[in-house]
Amino acid sequence: AQSVSQHNHHVILSEAASLELGCNYSYGGTVNLFWYVQYPGQHLQLLLKYFSGDPLVKGIKGFEAEFIKSKFSFNLRKPSVQWSDTAEYFCAVNEAGTASKLTFGTGTRLQVTL
Amino acid sequence: EAGVAQSPRYKIIEKRQSVAFWCNPISGHATLYWYQQILGQGPKLLIQFQNNGVVDDSQLPKDRFSAERLKGVDSTLKIQPAKLEDSAVYLCASSRFEAAGGEQYFGPGTRLTVT
Repeated sequence: AQSVSQHNHHVILSEAASLELGCNYSYGGTVNLFWYVQYPGQHLQLLLKYFSGDPLVKGIKGFEAEFIKSKFSFNLRKPSVQWSDTAEYFCAVNEAGTASKLTFGTGTRLQVTL
Repeated sequence: EAGVAQSPRYKIIEKRQSVAFWCNPISGHATLYWYQQILGQGPKLLIQFQNNGVVDDSQLPKDRFSAERLKGVDSTLKIQPAKLEDSAVYLCASSRFEAAGGEQYFGPGTRLTVT
């Protein structure tokens, strides 16, 4: 069975600080990897995704993530956060080459202070 | 293109009552998902449809939950009777590709409170 672990439940950063959110997954096969974001009062939106190829993927709003297969990790990074990045971030995985269900982590709440 | 639509946005019911949620996916999306998100947790799949057939309902509590997707478009999710632990946000998502790991687009969700 698939599982996803997000180690940071609540992160507080000042504007302009760098961000790294951890995500590890457990699955016996090849996976697709996703980061979704939920801004306050809004629905889940895709931030970035990895299907194959270059393990460093770039998403919207300056976010990027690196897939490290040997570590089963897909950490999210941003060099300089803004107040508008305050949101909940979810890492998710599904079986590669399919439209199967997403297995989500428990989420990380990011609070950016001015 | 229009996003995934869900209604109602909020619902409060008493335990043992029934409730139904509606979802209209993005036009042309073959795959439709219902997820349950309990406070403090990530969404968990309840049921997945491809066109109007069920692909995965292994996590659906079938003694009280039911879902259908008529004509492969709209879908309804019903709970009867509701329990306190059903309090959650119910998310509908849709995906264009039938077997290529396409992105899932989420609706705004229905927040259910069972008292």
